[in-house]
Amino acid sequence: NAGVTQTPKFRVLKTGQSMTLLCAQDMNHEYMYWYRQDPGMGLRLIHYSVGEGTTAKGEVPDGYNVSRLKKQNFLLGLESAAPSQTSVYFCASGTSMGTYEQYFGPGTRLTVT
Amino acid sequence: AQSVTQLDSHVSVSEGTPVLLRCNYSSSYSPSLFWYVQHPNKGLQLLLKYTSAATLVKGINGFEAEFKKSETSFHLTKPSAHMSDAAEYFCVVSDRLTGANNLFFGTGTRLTVIP
Repeated sequence: NAGVTQTPKFRVLKTGQSMTLLCAQDMNHEYMYWYRQDPGMGLRLIHYSVGEGTTAKGEVPDGYNVSRLKKQNFLLGLESAAPSQTSVYFCASGTSMGTYEQYFGPGTRLTVT
Repeated sequence: AQSVTQLDSHVSVSEGTPVLLRCNYSSSYSPSLFWYVQHPNKGLQLLLKYTSAATLVKGINGFEAEFKKSETSFHLTKPSAHMSDAAEYFCVVSDRLTGANNLFFGTGTRLTVIP
C-alpha cells in the first residue's frame, strides 16, 4: 500500500515550457487535490476532483489545468510555465465519508527559470 | 468563509519543556479541525483531528489539542519537547460546504527545539 505517490520529485523548467505532474493513490479515495506551497503562505488549493471525470477550481487555479481520467490518478498540467509557478506541489486524496482528513504525497519541487 | 490564523510563525523551546502552538479559526458552522506536521523536505503527516466528538483530542507522538468553541481556538500542546519534534506545524480547517471537504491551511509555525 503505497498511499499517495507523485512523479517527478524534482523538475527544472524554462519559462514557456510545459509539463505534467502525476499523482496516484491506491486507497480508492473519491476526492483528490492539488496544492502549492510557498514560503510563509501555507498550502493553497489549486484544483480538486470529487470523482473520476470531474474537476473544479480551487483558490489559485490560474495557469494550471487538471484531468482525472481514472479514479486513482490526478494530473496537474502547466501549459506555459512562469517563474511565479516555482513552488512545491503536493497532491492529496481523501474520502467522502468520515472525518474529512486528507492524505498527502511527498511533493514535487518545481523551479521555473 | 473558513480560515485559520496561526499566531506565531516561529516558536523555540528547550528540549524537555512544554510546547504550545496557537491556532484560532473562523467558521460559519461547527468545523473539522486538524493539525498537520511537515518535517524538512518531507510531505505532510496528520498529527490529530477534531470532528465534533471529544473536545480534547489526542494525537501521535504525545501531542494533543483542545477545541474551545467560545474562544474559537484549537491550540496544540505537548508536555515535553523532543528534538525530533522540530518541524513546521499547520493548523487546518475543513470546508464542508463545497462537498469536497476542501482544507484551508494556516501559514504554519516553525518549531525549533534547543538541546
